Amino acid sequence: AQRVTQPEKLLSVFKGAPVELKCNYSYSGSPELFWYVQYSRQRLQLLLRHISRESIKGFTADLNKGETSFHLKKPFAQEEDSAMYYCALSVGVQGGSEKLVFGKGTKLTVNP
Amino acid sequence: DTEVTQTPKHLVMGMTNKKSLKCEQHMGHRAMYWYKQKAKKPPELMFVYSYEKLSINESVPSRFSPECPNSSLLNLHLHALQPEDSALYLCASSQLPHRYEQYFGPGTRLTVT
Repeated sequence: AQRVTQPEKLLSVFKGAPVELKCNYSYSGSPELFWYVQYSRQRLQLLLRHISRESIKGFTADLNKGETSFHLKKPFAQEEDSAMYYCALSVGVQGGSEKLVFGKGTKLTVNP
Repeated sequence: DTEVTQTPKHLVMGMTNKKSLKCEQHMGHRAMYWYKQKAKKPPELMFVYSYEKLSINESVPSRFSPECPNSSLLNLHLHALQPEDSALYLCASSQLPHRYEQYFGPGTRLTVT
């Protein structure tokens, strides 16, 4: 069965410290993974998509198929990074459609 | 226009009321989605429309009835809801195939009394 696991419900770091938000997935097909972010009082928005291999707001994420992981990293956290982060997996369903399966989310707090 | 808009922002309804949530996008996306999000929880998929046809129904109770009148609009008709249906209802859209980024609206905060 397809599943996305974010083991940390809460993560707190100090400004300037490195941050890593963990994401592991379970999927028998070829994984398409995303990180979405929800800042306070703002809409859910895409942060990263593994296939694009971009760095957005200093964040990067590498797909490790051997470890079935897609951890999100940033070398120097900023206070404005405080938000809820969701890892999501696109899975195929019967009929050719696809849907996003979200992890439970990690709330990141960056302290001054 | 790169936004998904949703109306109303807030809705309070009684258990016997009938109301509708509306979602609109003008990005030319041919996939549209309804999600339900409870506080401090991830979004839960309810329905997916692909090319204006319902492609996924995640076993949602029939008191929720989706409608996609055209490629830019998505409605969610509500009838005889229960208090536990109170949540933030999110609309999203994406290009097809579905593996493209989903663009989310700000949501409608629904309270069922």
